[in-house]
Formats: sequence, C-alpha cells, structure tokens
Amino acid sequence: QKEVEQDPGPLSVPEGAIVSLNCTYSNSAFQYFMWYRQYSRKGPELLMYTYSSGNKEDGRFTAQVDKSSKYISLFIRDSQPSDSATYLCAKYNFNKFYFGSGTKLNVKP
Amino acid sequence: EAGVVQSPRYKIIEKKQPVAFWCNPISGHNTLYWYLQNLGQGPELLIRYENEEAVDDSQLPKDRFSAERLKGVDSTLKIQPAELGDSAVYLCASSLDPTSGGADTGELFFGEGSRLTVL
Repeated sequence: QKEVEQDPGPLSVPEGAIVSLNCTYSNSAFQYFMWYRQYSRKGPELLMYTYSSGNKEDGRFTAQVDKSSKYISLFIRDSQPSDSATYLCAKYNFNKFYFGSGTKLNVKP
Repeated sequence: EAGVVQSPRYKIIEKKQPVAFWCNPISGHNTLYWYLQNLGQGPELLIRYENEEAVDDSQLPKDRFSAERLKGVDSTLKIQPAELGDSAVYLCASSLDPTSGGADTGELFFGEGSRLTVL
C-alpha cells in the first residue's frame, strides 16, 4: 500500500468553479501534510502545509485534513485559468516526504 | 535569492551511454534531495544528503546510479549505462536541516528538473 494515494484526474472545470482535490494516506504517525503545485515542465512548489486536523485557509485555497478517516483535501474557490497545473499531495514524517501521483487540473476560461 | 539550479534541462542519449546531472541548491540549505519523476507520477526519492553525507540512498539503483555531493554544496547524479526505462525527469530539491525545524514546514524547494530521454 502506498503511503499517499491521490485521485488521478484529470479534472476539467470552468473558470469560477470550486475545485476539490483529494488524497488518502496510510500510517498514523505524527506527520505534516502538504499540497504542492506543479506547472508543466517546472518543479513542484509548495502551496500549503498543515499538521493538524481541520481547515487551513490561504486566499482562495483551503487545505483540509481529517485524521480520523486519513483524508486530505484541497479546495480552490473561484478557480482561474492560472490554476491549471498538477496538484500533488504529500506527507512528511521521519525525515521523509511521500508524494501522491498528482491530479492534473485544467480550468477553462 | 536564486532558487535551486539544475542542468542540463534536457538531455537525449542513446541507451548504454552515460549521463550526468548537476544541481546547485539554495545557499545555506544543508539537505539536498534527488527525486525521480515519471510521467503522471509524483516524485520518488532517490537519495538524500545531509551536508556531504548520503543519509538515505535506499532507493538508489546502485548498479547504475551514483551520486556525490562534494563539499556539501553542489551535487551530481550519474547514470551509467543508461537504459530505456531511465527516461524521466530528475528533480533536485533542497531544504534547511530538518533537525533544525526547516523541513518541518514542509518546504522542499525544487529545481526545474532535468528531463532525460533515452533512445
């Protein structure tokens, strides 16, 4: 079983839509959870991180962690064409990062 | 501040040829990572350095892959000989020393990657 499993997508939405991206994880050791965004032919860049259950908001982005169900979500409000990218969920524990396979998002103008 | 710099960005070689990738991390970042990213997949760790020491190379195919980080700054990843299945993007990343709390923020800084095509 992989440490982090991610919905593969791709996901195509119209501009202004609310986007929901989801992952599940295994192992319940103390850990951080992250979302990285990767534009085509670029390296991933950190979008958000959290280590607790509940929601963390940053502008149009909300990261949600449900430790009881081992679920990680990223919500994007008022999605823009510039949000078109691949989104990678990840967790960090014991000096290791574990990445999901990524969900490719396309926001159509 | 300059980010993580990788070169070359693209490399096309024939199978059985050698290839090398170079990485210059962000100044002051003790920890350096090499990741492999196949198409449609997330990054997978090949090797992690703390300064000059390779502290996790368990996923590095040592029969054909080698890496070094002389003087604890720049790093080189080499493949010899390359196989068709090595075609992928090789990502370098750096972070502050995790024991100081840097990587606890979840921030790996990635370079743009070196895209390898083996024919």
